[in-house]
Amino acid sequence: SQQGEEDPQALSIQEGENATMNCSYKTSINNLQWYRQNSGRGLVHLILIRSNEREKHSGRLRVTLDTSKKSSSLLITASRAADTASYFCATDIGDYKLSFGAGTTVTVRA
Amino acid sequence: DAGVIQSPRHEVTEMGQEVTLRCKPISGHDYLFWYRQTMMRGLELLIYFNNNVPIDDSGMPEDRFSAKMPNASFSTLKIQPSEPRDSAVYFCASSLRPQETQYFGPGTRLLVL
Repeated sequence: SQQGEEDPQALSIQEGENATMNCSYKTSINNLQWYRQNSGRGLVHLILIRSNEREKHSGRLRVTLDTSKKSSSLLITASRAADTASYFCATDIGDYKLSFGAGTTVTVRA
Repeated sequence: DAGVIQSPRHEVTEMGQEVTLRCKPISGHDYLFWYRQTMMRGLELLIYFNNNVPIDDSGMPEDRFSAKMPNASFSTLKIQPSEPRDSAVYFCASSLRPQETQYFGPGTRLLVL
């Protein structure tokens, strides 16, 4: 079963707006990662946040982690058409494996 | 580095045929993962290797599936015999350390008729 669950399943926004998606997980983690997948392509790593970190930035991306609530959020600011993709959170589930959620599909309208 | 390389990119085959998917990980990465992605089940880990040794194959669905890594730069995932329910996109990924950043290949889109 999947450890992480993204919310919402789908998101449609206007270019220039911000997009926020959330990930909830069940068991304690060492780190949480976010990946992007463009249609027909492989997953691309965006950002990794460790369990002792609360917030991390990378360009227009901001990730937060609340271990007490077992949740994380990914914020994309000033969205562009190129941000149209599916976004997945991944958590380590022990035995050196990652578990990926079902993803949030983001559509950025021009 | 060219990244993780997978071949073929697309495969169409008939039920009962043998299918072999290939992967070349990023040089220096000790961990290699095979995933399967479907609409129904999302992204599933099938098997992973550390230093060419299979560590966990608990995600391999059936005995029809097998994976090998004869050396640090090559791995195969074989399905024999293939069935229509094996239709999916199969990804190979590699990483320097477990549970850290994984680098995915472009995937092989498999259709079993």
